[in-house]
Parts: sequence; C-alpha cells; structure tokens
Amino acid sequence: ETGVTQTPRHLVMGMTNKKSLKCEQHLGHNAMYWYKQSAKKPLELMFVYSLEERVENNSVPSRFSPECPNSSHLFLHLHTLQPEDSALYLCASSQERGITYYGYTFGSGTRLTVV
Amino acid sequence: SQKIEQNSEALNIQEGKTATLTCNYTNYSPAYLQWYRQDPGRGPVFLLLIRENEKEKRKERLKVTFDTTLKQSLFHITASQPADSATYLCALTYSGAGSYQLTFGKGTKLSVIP
Repeated sequence: ETGVTQTPRHLVMGMTNKKSLKCEQHLGHNAMYWYKQSAKKPLELMFVYSLEERVENNSVPSRFSPECPNSSHLFLHLHTLQPEDSALYLCASSQERGITYYGYTFGSGTRLTVV
Repeated sequence: SQKIEQNSEALNIQEGKTATLTCNYTNYSPAYLQWYRQDPGRGPVFLLLIRENEKEKRKERLKVTFDTTLKQSLFHITASQPADSATYLCALTYSGAGSYQLTFGKGTKLSVIP
C-alpha cells in the first residue's frame, strides 16, 4: 500500500450506468488529483483539488464529475460514459506549498471498461 | 503548451550494464523535474526529484541530471537488474499555477535482460 487507496480496482459499466470511483489518502496531504491513463498516451490531468477546492478542470467532459468532501477523500462520479472512456484512472496526492516537496503519491488505479 | 519527449519508447539492456533514459522538454524550465517508475496495471511510484537549480541527484543506483540549457534530463540506473524492468516516466512541475500539477511524458519501457 502506498498510502493512497483506490476502489474498486476494476469496474465494467454500461454506457447508461452511473458509478463512482473512490480515493482515500492517509498521508496528511492537502492536494489530490485525478489522472486518466490510456494506452500509448501520457497521463492526462483531469482534476486538481487543493485544500478541498477545485483548481483545475482541464476541459474534462461533464460526464465526469469530481467531489472532494474533505482533504482525505476524493470521488469521481461517472455517468453516460463512452467506450473511449475506458482507461486506467489514477488518483494521487501531494503536499502543496510545503517547504519540502517529495512528488506525488499515486494509488494503484481503477481499470475502467465501458461496454 | 509544454511538450515532453522521452526519446525511446522501449529500451533493452543487458543485466549489469547502465541504463540511460532521456527526457527532453520544450519552452520554459520547470520548477521540478521528476522520475517515476510504473509497473503494469499499477500506479506510478515516485523515484527522484531534481530542482531547476540542481545539476545532479543520486539515490542508491539511480542518478538524475538536469541541464536547463539543453532542456534535458538524463536518468541512469547503474548495475541494472531484471527487477528494474518497468516503464519509467518523466514529469515536470510548475509551481506558478498555485498547485503542483504534473505533466508527464509517455514513458520509456525498460527491459533488463538476464
């Protein structure tokens, strides 16, 4: 375990379903992120939450909806997805504006398949 | 927009040799340049970070160099082992945006052959 836990590890959903991805960190970090990783493409930043406020959207389609109820939890709500949304979704956390910055801590990801 | 190039999609190397991976970027220099390791089906794991005012950083068998004139970082693994086989990602951070947002390269898949 890295200190960032993502559930579920695998998810298969139909295009009309609604599901949610969950991320939890126990590192005391104050920034959390959602990234999408597709085959042959670099990780794409989707959302950033700093001190529980969203600071970046990056033009993500509205069928993806993030929620950050507190500094330890992050959700990604999914609805009416498309097959091209199938990917590995990664959550990460970091300590923002700290004196010492040690990089991101990633979770193991949720492998999403849209059918 | 910033572009990051990791010049080899895949790299094969004999066990015991030094593996050298390259990361080039365009435009302005980042506040931090980082290297991550990613195994199949897993999230990236942070390895090393180097700041824009640093030239070199070492950690055990790993060494990172940072040349802001060439806009390039080199990542070295000495005495490579089969367990070092993984995809290595270069990432840049710009702190001016108010949060440490990472921009990643596509990665280089390293295979260490026994």
